Amino acid sequence: AQSVTQPDIHITVSEGASLELRCNYSYGATPYLFWYVQSPGQGLQLLLKYFSGDTLVQGIKGFEAEFKRSQSSFNLRKPSVHWSDAAEYFCAVGATNAGKSTFGDGTTLTVKP
Amino acid sequence: DAGVIQSPRHEVTEMGQEVTLRCKPISGHDYLFWYRQTMMRGLELLIYFNNNVPIDDSGMPEDRFSAKMPNASFSTLKIQPSEPRDSAVYFCASSFRNSPLHFGNGTRLTVT
Repeated sequence: AQSVTQPDIHITVSEGASLELRCNYSYGATPYLFWYVQSPGQGLQLLLKYFSGDTLVQGIKGFEAEFKRSQSSFNLRKPSVHWSDAAEYFCAVGATNAGKSTFGDGTTLTVKP
Repeated sequence: DAGVIQSPRHEVTEMGQEVTLRCKPISGHDYLFWYRQTMMRGLELLIYFNNNVPIDDSGMPEDRFSAKMPNASFSTLKIQPSEPRDSAVYFCASSFRNSPLHFGNGTRLTVT
């Protein structure tokens, strides 16, 4: 069975500082991996996805993530955080159909001025 | 494109009442999903459709929950009778083939 672990429930960073959100997955085959962001009162929005190829993927809003098969990880990074990045972030793993994805429990990001 | 549209945004009802949540997927998308989000259980997939046909409803919690997709542009999720433990945010999402999901803004359901 597939599963996703986001070890950090809540992270606080200062505006302008770098950010890394951790995601570890368990999946029997080559995974499809996703990061979504959810702002309060909104649905989830896709930040980036990994299907195959280059293990460093670029997403929207200046985010990137790196797939490391040996570590079963897909960590999300941003070099300089903006106050508008405060939100909840979800990592997901799935098969060919994105909808069957399994979501992690999310990491809430707080940005200090 | 208007995105995935859900209605109502908020629903407050009394225990035992029937609740119907509605979703209009993005035009041209062939997959539609219903998710439930709570603090305790996170984001759970309830059911999904492909070309209007239910494919997997193993996430539907019990027989009180039912979902239909009469055509490509409309789906409903019904709870009858509703219970306080059904209080959650319900999301509809759609996708085209293997593309990632596009989520609606959700319906916040409160059952008193």
